[in-house]
Amino acid sequence: DTEVTQTPKHLVMGMTNKKSLKCEQHMGHRAMYWYKQKAKKPPELMFVYSYEKLSINESVPSRFSPECPNSSLLNLHLHALQPEDSALYLCASSQGRSLYTEAFFGQGTRLTVV
Amino acid sequence: DQQVKQNSPSLSVQEGRISILNCDYTNSMFDYFLWYKKYPAEGPTFLISISSIKDKNEDGRFTVFLNKSAKHLSLHIVPSQPGDSAVYFCAASDQGTYKYIFGTGTRLKVLA
Repeated sequence: DTEVTQTPKHLVMGMTNKKSLKCEQHMGHRAMYWYKQKAKKPPELMFVYSYEKLSINESVPSRFSPECPNSSLLNLHLHALQPEDSALYLCASSQGRSLYTEAFFGQGTRLTVV
Repeated sequence: DQQVKQNSPSLSVQEGRISILNCDYTNSMFDYFLWYKKYPAEGPTFLISISSIKDKNEDGRFTVFLNKSAKHLSLHIVPSQPGDSAVYFCAASDQGTYKYIFGTGTRLKVLA
């Protein structure tokens, strides 16, 4: 199983809503990531969790709140987003304990903020 | 500050010919390099990688070359097939941090 599963695939939310994106992997990976991708741009790193602890926050606004409940799950809680936050949100995982290993990506959640 | 750059936004190649995609990086701490293929509204799919202790890695039709002194890597696809048409991202990682930093992407179109 080399799959990273993200739900939902599509999400439309208002600027006052609270919603969550979910990500799951069962590869035993100990590093998990959130990336954001705008149209015609590369994926941009937001957060890295290593062994369920937040290790990297790339100066992401606090309206994005990550959570790692256990080694298989990663959530991204969204609150008071702006229309410019509309993007494809990608979750990824990697072994996190070996050097020179690739990151596996989910299919992404297409988020539209209205 | 774009640490990983792909200077060709697009590339068109005839089916059966070689596709060469290029990537430059600036951070000398990067020690692992990867190529991903991406379709719109999907996640990137891993293709091939190379560590900084090597200068070449080959996997079927895909070969990645690394020139550390020039901070340059390239992906060769031969022979190119129409199904290879996609956006290709190079990525670089400082394995001590587990960060994967993506380049700007090259859209490859393989013409039948």
